Formats: sequence, structure tokens, C-alpha cells
Amino acid sequence: RKEVEQDPGPFNVPEGATVAFNCTYSNSASQSFFWYRQDCRKEPKLLMSVYSSGNEDGRFTAQLNRASQYISLLIRDSKLSDSATYLCVVIGFMDTGRRALTFGSGTRLQVQP
Amino acid sequence: DGGITQSPKYLFRKEGQNVTLSCEQNLNHDAMYWYRQDPGQGLRLIYYSQIVNDFQKGDIAEGYSVSREKKESFPLTVTSAQKNPTAFYLCASSPQGGLSTDTQYFGPGTRLTVL
Repeated sequence: RKEVEQDPGPFNVPEGATVAFNCTYSNSASQSFFWYRQDCRKEPKLLMSVYSSGNEDGRFTAQLNRASQYISLLIRDSKLSDSATYLCVVIGFMDTGRRALTFGSGTRLQVQP
Repeated sequence: DGGITQSPKYLFRKEGQNVTLSCEQNLNHDAMYWYRQDPGQGLRLIYYSQIVNDFQKGDIAEGYSVSREKKESFPLTVTSAQKNPTAFYLCASSPQGGLSTDTQYFGPGTRLTVL
């Protein structure tokens, strides 16, 4: 099982739709979680951090479910400009005790007019 | 403007050649990282450096080498020993070292193709 798994998509949604992605992680001791956005052939950029209490930034809401070991990203009122690949990032400890930052392979979103 | 720069944007290499990818940051960050991204895959850590004159292997360090002689610079050499070097290479930095919870800031990347 991969340490961090995402549905690769693509998720094809019409403008104005609400869409949600999940990201599951295998290490229950993972500590920190983030969502990054990556446009085609560009570098990833931080979208938002994910907290147990959940956090919201405009149309974007991120949630963490520690019991089921997944994080989610909800996008409301989708815009064409939201089309991108969304990467989840999990930070935890490896067996060696070293902190490890693991990227998921990303979920591709395509918002259509 | 503060940020991370990588050069070149595109790089072509013949088999058997070593090439060096540049990464410079003027954010005064202590930590710097090199990742590799292959199509449809997540980023994989090659090397990271928490402080000047110190660096650690990541998950896929074989066939790569780095140096950290200056805080602002963290060049990556892709050697001929790297069997599948064609990939998108991303450099990142963060304020603190140790793969902490700090946000990582990425450079624009270098796309390396082996001919």
C-alpha cells in the first residue's frame, strides 16, 4: 500500500459545481497535512494547511479525519481557473525516526464551461 | 523579488554525461530540497540540506550528488549512474530544516531529457 494515495482522476465538472477529493495516508503517526495545487508543467504551490478542526479559505475547505486516516478538499462554485492537479502532502516519522514529507501523486481536476 | 530560481528551464543531455541543475534562493531559508517528479506520480525526495555544508540523502539519492557551500545555493548533479534521469526536477526551500512542518516553497523546475 502506498504511504499516501489519491484518486488520479480526472474529475470533470461543470463550472459552478462542488467537487471533493480525498487523500488517504497509511502512517497513523502522521503529524501535518497540506494541499498543494500544481498547474500543468509548473511547480506545486501551497493551497492550504489541513487541521483537525478543519479550515476554510473562500471556496476551499480542507478537513482531516484521523480516525479513518484521510484528508479531504472541497471546492465550491468551481471556476475554470480551478483546473489543475491537487497534491496532498503528509508529514510524519519514518521507522528510522527521521521526519518524512510524502507527496501524493495528485488528483486532476478539469472544470468545464 | 524574493524567491527561488532554477536554471535552465529545459535541459537535454546525452547518455553518459553528467549535468548540473542550478537552484538559488534569496529567502534566507535554512533548508533546501531536491525532488524529482515523473508523469502521473508524486514528488520524490532526492536530497535535502538543513544547513550550509550539510546534506542528507532522500528516498532516491542513487545517481545524484549535491553540495551546499552557500546558504542560497543548492546545485544538483545528475550523474551518468542515474539510470532513468528524464524527469521534472523541482527545488524547494523552507525556513527551518529537518523536514519540519514548515511550508515548502518551490522553484519553477527544470525539465531534463536524456537523448
